[in-house]
Amino acid sequence: AQSVAQPEDQVNVAEGNPLTVKCTYSVSGNPYLFWYVQYPNRGLQFLLKYITGDNLVKGSYGFEAEFNKSQTSFHLKKPSALVSDSALYFCAVRPLRGATNKLIFGTGTLLAVQP
Amino acid sequence: NAGVTQTPKFQVLKTGQSMTLQCAQDMNHNSMYWYRQDPGMGLRLIYYSASEGTTDKGEVPNGYNVSRLNKREFSLRLESAAPSQTSVYFCAGNSGGYSYNEQFFGPGTRLTVL
Repeated sequence: AQSVAQPEDQVNVAEGNPLTVKCTYSVSGNPYLFWYVQYPNRGLQFLLKYITGDNLVKGSYGFEAEFNKSQTSFHLKKPSALVSDSALYFCAVRPLRGATNKLIFGTGTLLAVQP
Repeated sequence: NAGVTQTPKFQVLKTGQSMTLQCAQDMNHNSMYWYRQDPGMGLRLIYYSASEGTTDKGEVPNGYNVSRLNKREFSLRLESAAPSQTSVYFCAGNSGGYSYNEQFFGPGTRLTVL
């Protein structure tokens, strides 16, 4: 079965330190990969995506993510965390098979950045 | 542009009552989606509409129906609400088809079924 795993329910990091939010996937072929962020009582906002090409992709608010095909991972990173980065982060995968653009979401990781 | 809008923002129902959640987009999206978000379970797809005039079941369709009224609007109906349907519901849209475009989400509807 196709799935996305976010192994950490919560990640705690001090402001100014680098952060990593992990994501691994189990999908056949080379899927499209996405990260979304959700602030309290808001809808999801798109951060970045990997389609093809360079394994390191850059997105909004200084975030980047590294695609690793051999480890089937797509970890979200930021060199220096801000308190305002505190939010719920979702990894999502769009399998390439089929014409419908459905996404499979992970369960989310709560990022808490302490001042 | 308003983007993806949802009404209502909050709703409390009693078991057995019915209601329709409304979603509209002005982004010319071909595809639209309904998700529910529950703690520890991420987002699960209820129904989707790949294009105007078509709808298909997602991962958790039981207890729900949908209507793609036109290209802009995609509604979700609960015919007989149950406490298990207490959740936050999100509508989303994107270009659909073979594209790799991201989905754009509405602000959500928080539904409580007593």
